Amino acid sequence: NAGVTQTPKFRILKIGQSMTLQCAQDMNHNYMYWYRQDPGMGLKLIYYSVGAGITDKGEVPNGYNVSRSTTEDFPLRLELAAPSQTSVYFCASSSSGTSGMGQYFGPGTRLTVT
Amino acid sequence: AQSVAQPEDQVNVAEGNPLTVKCTYSVSGNPYLFWYVQYPNRGLQFLLKYITGDNLVKGSYGFEAEFNKSQTSFHLKKPSALVSDSALYFCAVRDTRNTPLVFGKGTRLSVIA
Repeated sequence: NAGVTQTPKFRILKIGQSMTLQCAQDMNHNYMYWYRQDPGMGLKLIYYSVGAGITDKGEVPNGYNVSRSTTEDFPLRLELAAPSQTSVYFCASSSSGTSGMGQYFGPGTRLTVT
Repeated sequence: AQSVAQPEDQVNVAEGNPLTVKCTYSVSGNPYLFWYVQYPNRGLQFLLKYITGDNLVKGSYGFEAEFNKSQTSFHLKKPSALVSDSALYFCAVRDTRNTPLVFGKGTRLSVIA
């Protein structure tokens, strides 16, 4: 049981480039989330999904896109990278209800845009 | 809208002394409250949660938290701090509708030997 996995761990992008951050979970969780963490700012929700085929915007969705074609995978797409997207990105998942540990987090992807 | 405030950016405590990391929240209806810890270059790890029941919740690594409805607070505590407790601590809240967690900005705990 790997939990939540994210790839890559690190990436440097040039301004205007595109990339996809991968996230997968093997806990059969319906809910999945993408957060970004900026120093001193806590975690900001980018997008989330309550099940395959259903996604919704969070607090800071601009510049990002997501899709959820399967229960396991929730990739995050950056189309035109900007320096403001330099951050650490965390994927998380959870089941419905109140059991368990709330959200389970992946190890993060550190992205630098120059 | 839900919100969480962690009023201290940094908390310093001597090893062996009790520690408190403060958290206040705002939510419509009954809150579900969580504490997570983040070590350098790692993801967030669950410490404890309050859903319902006893106001004092016990969690991992000897941590506990006290839910106070009248003060809308959920402070994290530990009777005797360890150097290894040094990390970034996040408080989070959601309402009963299974909405995504809303996180505070984090408090950096430094335990000095």
